[in-house]
Amino acid sequence: AQSVTQPDIHITVSEGASLELRCNYSYGATPYLFWYVQSPGQGLQLLLKYFSGDTLVQGIKGFEAEFKRSQSSFNLRKPSVHWSDAAEYFCAVGAHTSWGKLQFGAGTQVVVTP
Amino acid sequence: DAGVIQSPRHEVTEMGQEVTLRCKPISGHNSLFWYRQTMMRGLELLIYFNNNVPIDDSGMPEDRFSAKMPNASFSTLKIQPSEPRDSAVYFCASSLGTGQQPQHFGDGTRLSIL
Repeated sequence: AQSVTQPDIHITVSEGASLELRCNYSYGATPYLFWYVQSPGQGLQLLLKYFSGDTLVQGIKGFEAEFKRSQSSFNLRKPSVHWSDAAEYFCAVGAHTSWGKLQFGAGTQVVVTP
Repeated sequence: DAGVIQSPRHEVTEMGQEVTLRCKPISGHNSLFWYRQTMMRGLELLIYFNNNVPIDDSGMPEDRFSAKMPNASFSTLKIQPSEPRDSAVYFCASSLGTGQQPQHFGDGTRLSIL
């Protein structure tokens, strides 16, 4: 069975600084990987996804993520954060035969300071 | 395009009452997922359906919880009788039903049981 670990529960970053959120997965085959963002009072919104090809994927809101098979990681990055990036971020992994079920990480809460 | 539609957005009721949460998935999606989110337990998968058939309900906390999907465009999650510890945000999500397809989330129902 697949699993996802987000080692950082909470990250504080200054506006304009770079951001990197860590995600490690466990899965026997090539995984399908996703990052979601949840703003307060909202549902989860898809930022980006990876399932094959170029290991660096671009998403919405200026985010990108890099798949590293050797490290079983799929870290999310943004070069310069905006106050509106304050939210909770979830990494998720999907299996090849799962009817679309995703295994979500516990989430990382991002706080942006002025 | 219409996304996943959940109703009501907010529900406040007294313990012991029956609560029914509703979800309309994205047209053409054949998998539907119900989640519960709390501060203490995070995001929990309760049950999911594929082609209107329940696939896995192992996340349903108790027999007081039940879910149905009578057709491809509608699902309900029912709690009877409700208890204060059921207070949470309940999300519905839908997808095209394969591992590489993302889930699309509704805005959730915030349930408060007094």
